[in-house]
Amino acid sequence: QKEVEQDPGPLSVPEGAIVSLNCTYSNSAFQYFMWYRQYSRKGPELLMYTYSSGNKEDGRFTAQVDKSSKYISLFIRDSQPSDSATYLCAMSGPSAGNMLTFGGGTRLMVKP
Amino acid sequence: EAGVAQSPRYKIIEKRQSVAFWCNPISGHATLYWYQQILGQGPKLLIQFQNNGVVDDSQLPKDRFSAERLKGVDSTLKIQPAKLEDSAVYLCASSRIASRGAFFGQGTRLTVV
Repeated sequence: QKEVEQDPGPLSVPEGAIVSLNCTYSNSAFQYFMWYRQYSRKGPELLMYTYSSGNKEDGRFTAQVDKSSKYISLFIRDSQPSDSATYLCAMSGPSAGNMLTFGGGTRLMVKP
Repeated sequence: EAGVAQSPRYKIIEKRQSVAFWCNPISGHATLYWYQQILGQGPKLLIQFQNNGVVDDSQLPKDRFSAERLKGVDSTLKIQPAKLEDSAVYLCASSRIASRGAFFGQGTRLTVV
């Protein structure tokens, strides 16, 4: 079993839709949670980070963490074709050596 | 603020040859990571440095891969000898505060033929 699981997709949605991307994890040592966006042939770009259960909002993006269920989500409102990319969740924690562990990524396609 | 710099961007080598990648992290970032990303997969951590000390290298194939971080700043990752399955993108990342994530370079795309 991988430490961080993510549905690979692809997830195809129409422009303007609300997108929900999810990850589950098994290691209770993870305390810090991040979401990255990766365009083809580019390095991952940090979108958001959070270290507490609950919601964190940044523009059209909302990150949600449920530590009791070991489940995190990223919501994208009013999705745009420019949001088409692979979204990677990542997590770390001090008792896990602050090693940043990634999920496999979900490929998102937003159609005009 | 300048980002993480990596070179070269692309490299094609024959199997059994050697190759080296270079990374210059963001200034002031004590933690440096090297990741391997195979097409269609998430990045896999190879080695993590804190300043010039190794924090974790448990997934580094030490029979062929080596890495060093010079004076706690720049880093090089070497593969010798390369195998076909080493074809991947090699990503370097750095961070200042672990809880706020790491910043990635553009990566080096390696093709072993």
